[in-house]
Amino acid sequence: QVQLQESGPGLVKPSETLSLTCTVSGGSINDYYWSWIRQPPGKGLEWIGYIYYIGSTNYNPSLRSRVTMSVDTSKNQFSLKLNSVTAADTAVYYCSRVAYTYRTSWSHFDYWGPGALVTVSS
Amino acid sequence: EVVLTQSPGTLSLSPGERATLSCRASESIYSIYLAWYQQKPGRAPRLLIYGASSRATGIPDRFSGGGSGTDFTLTISRLEPEDFAVYYCQLYGSSNVYIFGQGTKLEIK
Repeated sequence: QVQLQESGPGLVKPSETLSLTCTVSGGSINDYYWSWIRQPPGKGLEWIGYIYYIGSTNYNPSLRSRVTMSVDTSKNQFSLKLNSVTAADTAVYYCSRVAYTYRTSWSHFDYWGPGALVTVSS
Repeated sequence: EVVLTQSPGTLSLSPGERATLSCRASESIYSIYLAWYQQKPGRAPRLLIYGASSRATGIPDRFSGGGSGTDFTLTISRLEPEDFAVYYCQLYGSSNVYIFGQGTKLEIK
């Protein structure tokens, strides 16, 4: 059973960089796309971006200028950096696996981490 | 970019009743790229339906999805107490982006 776990600081100061890592266990990071999704308190879900295991990325246009994702296959981990954060970036951040089927391509998310609350405050 | 609008915002029903949740796209979409998730308080979303109508592994058959073009539905045939939660639809859109609806809260009447 694939499991994902987010880790990183729970408090980040405004204008600084939010950094999170997702560790994948119970399966290999190879051959899949991996995503970050966030959810501000009491609000809906927002896709941040994805990274393929070989390092190619695609980001939400609304966040593209501030987001960087990376992958470390030797550690079965992938990471998120979001710079110049403001209070609007306060959210629970989820890492997830993008699922593939022949019929539906890479269209949905089948495994999720429990989420990490990151608060932006001085 | 396509916008997904879910309705109603809140649905109040009793256990044993049938629930029908709507997800409307701002333009016609490929149904194979439409998924539904359930989220309970303090928990990560759980995949229910993908490809508009295929149940994910372990999902009870009281959950079903359907629709085409711009209008999609998630139906729960007979509500169990554990089904009361927030439900999101999600699209795999053009340029390989992922879009979520704003959610429908299913609450106990």
